[in-house]
Amino acid sequence: NAGVTQTPKFQVLKTGQSMTLQCAQDMNHEYMSWYRQDPGMGLRLIHYSVGAGITDQGEVPNGYNVSRSTTEDFPLRLLSAAPSQTSVYFCASSRGRKGGRDTGELFFGEGSRLTVL
Amino acid sequence: GQQLNQSPQSMFIQEGEDVSMNCTSSSIFNTWLWYKQEPGEGPVLLIALYKAGELTSNGRLTAQFGITRKDSFLNISASIPSDVGIYFCAGRTGYGGSQGNLIFGKGTKLSVKP
Repeated sequence: NAGVTQTPKFQVLKTGQSMTLQCAQDMNHEYMSWYRQDPGMGLRLIHYSVGAGITDQGEVPNGYNVSRSTTEDFPLRLLSAAPSQTSVYFCASSRGRKGGRDTGELFFGEGSRLTVL
Repeated sequence: GQQLNQSPQSMFIQEGEDVSMNCTSSSIFNTWLWYKQEPGEGPVLLIALYKAGELTSNGRLTAQFGITRKDSFLNISASIPSDVGIYFCAGRTGYGGSQGNLIFGKGTKLSVKP
């Protein structure tokens, strides 16, 4: 099983450029989310989705867009990259209420390390 | 927004020693999860807790869901070098919507000296 797959693993951008971080899961999970990890800050929620066609903002959504056209994919778009968006980004998914109890257990991808110059 | 206070921030211990870390919240949680992250990897789930007072073990790891539902504890017994990593607590206040989102502590960085 691939689990949660993120691409690219590394990316360098210039200020003002846009890009999309890809995330795909093959576990038929209902819930997907994006977190960013910064030194000393833990993991902070950017956006999340409870199912195809449904997205909502997390704690730090500014500067990011998401969409969920299929159950499997949840891309994160940076509209105009800024140095403050230099971070490690993690996509995560969980079963949600599909097929049983909502345990809340998140499965994470390996991360995408983004540097904005 | 809600915050989790995780302590200690870092630990540097000798192989064979026991380790304790904890998380406290200002809100009542219905779920506590403990994750471990190794360098260059995403966090991996270690233990999940769903009831106040629940005590759950996974090998040398033991975690407890606090009676007040505002805290959780993780203990590692007889540490070994492969225990090195960052340990995160995470919790949530409800099911579905924003309440179902996990909130993460800032992590405890564990170093083990052979």
